[in-house]
Amino acid sequence: EPEVTQTPSHQVTQMGQEVILRCVPISNHLYFYWYRQILGQKVEFLVSFYNNEISEKSEIFDDQFSVERPDGSNFTLKIRSTKLEDSAMYFCASSDVTHQPQHFGDGTRLSIL
Amino acid sequence: RKEVEQDPGPFNVPEGATVAFNCTYSNSASQSFFWYRQDCRKEPKLLMSVYSSGNEDGRFTAQLNRASQYISLLIRDSKLSDSATYLCVVNGGGNEKLTFGTGTRLTIIP
Repeated sequence: EPEVTQTPSHQVTQMGQEVILRCVPISNHLYFYWYRQILGQKVEFLVSFYNNEISEKSEIFDDQFSVERPDGSNFTLKIRSTKLEDSAMYFCASSDVTHQPQHFGDGTRLSIL
Repeated sequence: RKEVEQDPGPFNVPEGATVAFNCTYSNSASQSFFWYRQDCRKEPKLLMSVYSSGNEDGRFTAQLNRASQYISLLIRDSKLSDSATYLCVVNGGGNEKLTFGTGTRLTIIP
């Protein structure tokens, strides 16, 4: 079964540094998403991406965050000037059409020290 | 009112028993509904979509009541492998994002 893959599985970074989280969505999918889950809390939407542009973003997704699809397969989340509260699991997801089930990668655990 | 509300549990249920979870959502314009399961420190995995007519997948039955904005999940003949957190998830109302409940933790006891 096709799957969404994410790298790295765990990223440890000093506060103030920049991190890039990488995702390879399922190959025929057109919609891409990032979510995060702070330990012990619910999964929260960050951003959706379609046709090479952001289609929706949450209040969490401020100027500190950016997304990019640099080539035909990768989808990245960049976090600039990381803060302690950015520590969380970050999940990438993709879907083939809007409202269809989204399939999640196994996540990147981001730890900010 | 929370966008998606679930009883956090925990539900501790003996193996072989039937267990039911409920969920309510606040956005009446929501269009798609799902149950995901999440194992500890893992990604959410789609369990099943939920349709207005109700749907069944093996031991799992999901129901949607649009008038009451209520979703349910029934697990019959529960197995040890069913132990997980069950996430009620809603999508739509003109956007693509998934809105998650906090999840209901289920532990099946041998």
